[in-house]
Amino acid sequence: KQEVTQIPAALSVPEGENLVLNCSFTDSAIYNLQWFRQDPGKGLTSLLLIQSSQREQTSGRLNASLDKSSGRSTLYIAASQPGDSATYLCAVFLINAGGTSYGKLTFGQGTILTVHP
Amino acid sequence: GAVVSQHPSWVICKSGTSVKIECRSLDFQATTMFWYRQFPKQSLMLMATSNEGSKATYEQGVEKDKFLINHASLTLSTLTVTSAHPEDSSFYICSARRPGQRPPYSGNTIYFGEGSWLTVV
Repeated sequence: KQEVTQIPAALSVPEGENLVLNCSFTDSAIYNLQWFRQDPGKGLTSLLLIQSSQREQTSGRLNASLDKSSGRSTLYIAASQPGDSATYLCAVFLINAGGTSYGKLTFGQGTILTVHP
Repeated sequence: GAVVSQHPSWVICKSGTSVKIECRSLDFQATTMFWYRQFPKQSLMLMATSNEGSKATYEQGVEKDKFLINHASLTLSTLTVTSAHPEDSSFYICSARRPGQRPPYSGNTIYFGEGSWLTVV
């Protein structure tokens, strides 16, 4: 059974710092990996989707990397801002027998990020 | 704008009553939708896969008679929490799979609804 773990569980940093959030998964046979942001009392906002054939994706100040063989992904946030404060979730797409994905996701427990002004 | 709409966003109900949550794909046909549940300070857990025109597939440990899922059309899946109790209070969120739109029609994109907060008192 696929398990996804995120470290650290919580992170508090001053504004302007660069930071790294870690995600690990037990089964390297994944289809894709996706990073989400969840604000308190809100739904999910997709940040970056990394396909299994890719090693990284970038969007603005965010960069996500994927190392399937080691079962790891990192989300790098550059020059953090108070508006980045949220819970960040990592999720892997489960692969089916046909080598694609039905769209089932297994989520990590999230990293709660607080950026102080 | 949102391509998957979930309603209601917030609902408070009395213990013993049933609550229905709707998940709609707005501009595409979703043959497959998914329902997740999130307890406070915990991660999202997949409850079931909703398949249009057939029975839902439930994950281990999820009571199918407690959480009724109906996917009667290509754009709507509903989750009904029957005889709700305070321990059912949670954040419920759906996602819909949008199939690939161009040949070879492979691949898919997952869109999430906004989520529904259920409080049972």
